[in-house]
Amino acid sequence: QVQLVQSGAEVKKPGAAVKVSCKASGYNFTSYHMVWVRQAPGLGLEWMGIINPSAGTTNYAQKFQGRVIMTRDTSTNTVYMELSSLRSQDTAVYYCARPTATNNWFDPWGQGTLVTVSS
Amino acid sequence: QSVLTQPPSVSGAPGQRVTFSCTGNSSNIGAGFDVHWYLQLPATAPKLLIYANNNRPSGVPDRFSGSRSGTSASLAITGLQAEDEADYYCQSYDSSLSGWVFGGGTKLTVL
Repeated sequence: QVQLVQSGAEVKKPGAAVKVSCKASGYNFTSYHMVWVRQAPGLGLEWMGIINPSAGTTNYAQKFQGRVIMTRDTSTNTVYMELSSLRSQDTAVYYCARPTATNNWFDPWGQGTLVTVSS
Repeated sequence: QSVLTQPPSVSGAPGQRVTFSCTGNSSNIGAGFDVHWYLQLPATAPKLLIYANNNRPSGVPDRFSGSRSGTSASLAITGLQAEDEADYYCQSYDSSLSGWVFGGGTKLTVL
């Protein structure tokens, strides 16, 4: 079955960077894009960006442009999301999720990675 | 705040019917982009509940239904059950933002 497994929780200091991984299995990795969505404590879902694992091309939400980099490794079927210049407001659970082939809805989702930014 | 507007909370008694609203604008729902709904239980990842306005993935009971009209969409649950208690999020695409947008979520309480 299609499965997305993310890396473990991280604690970072303000100003640092964090890199979260998402390993895909159960389907042709390069046939589907991947999105990243975050959820701050007690708040809603926020789309961060999308990567095409085949071409490596990306499209980031304007809010994160300049601070986020999404990459992929086709040899391990893994996508990465790196967020830099972290501040306390970046404390959140970060999810990867697979859009449909036509990039509409997201299914499935990874289990989430908690990133805590604290001095 | 979120681009799509959802009421913060909805409640109902077991067996009742509840509805959730999701209001957008002419750049997203009103532009004809599909609306999708997700259910999120505490401390778990969101799970797809309704896709493309009114379609249920395999395994989702027919107690759940969706609709879209104009700049809004709605989710309905009939025969409310205690295990339906969760947060519900709507999602669509926004052409002015060139990206996907979510509602702020609605917390369902089963009385």
